[in-house]
Amino acid sequence: GESVGLHLPTLSVQEGDNSIINCAYSNSASDYFIWYKQESGKGPQFIIDIRSNMDKRQGQRVTVLLNKTVKHLSLQIAATQPGDSAVYFCAERSNDYKLSFGAGTTVTVRA
Amino acid sequence: GAGVSQTPSNKVTEKGKYVELRCDPISGHTALYWYRQSLGQGPEFLIYFQGTGAADDSGLPNDRFFAVRPEGSVSTLKIQRTERGDSAVYLCASSFNGREQETQYFGPGTRLLVL
Repeated sequence: GESVGLHLPTLSVQEGDNSIINCAYSNSASDYFIWYKQESGKGPQFIIDIRSNMDKRQGQRVTVLLNKTVKHLSLQIAATQPGDSAVYFCAERSNDYKLSFGAGTTVTVRA
Repeated sequence: GAGVSQTPSNKVTEKGKYVELRCDPISGHTALYWYRQSLGQGPEFLIYFQGTGAADDSGLPNDRFFAVRPEGSVSTLKIQRTERGDSAVYLCASSFNGREQETQYFGPGTRLLVL
């Protein structure tokens, strides 16, 4: 099957700096993408989503960029805070209803 | 409720036993999903309910796994003759009506350990 993958399994960032988390997907039929944050012992928490007819979407301190040409998705976090330390997953939906997740990127914020 | 709730939060059982995991979706959400997450991995789809019916159960690994949603709200995932390989976090999610471009909201999960 097709899967969503992440470029880097871990990311260490200084508090206050910006973070960029990358995701590669392989299903060109996918038309909806979601970023989730998962803290230890908790379920995935919705951060932001983007539809395939968009290339950028902004939320509070977060921006998602979608490049359909190279099947690449990124999540940018501005002014990273200690509370941003978590595992981040990108997920895609194609023609059915289930989400396909990658393995995740672990973000560690250094004080 | 305010979010998706799941009980129990942790379950330890012995190989061969039967377990039931419960999910209470967000009030008003007609679509409900079960996923399984192994250590260090992303969640993997198990089954999707639209109302009371299982619209897609293609992710269930074998016939030891079964899920119901008799009244279109609470769902129960049932695992018979548990095996050590069933140890994982079982996540439930819900969405408003199951349309393709619609956010799924997850519960905290049930951590199942089969000894």
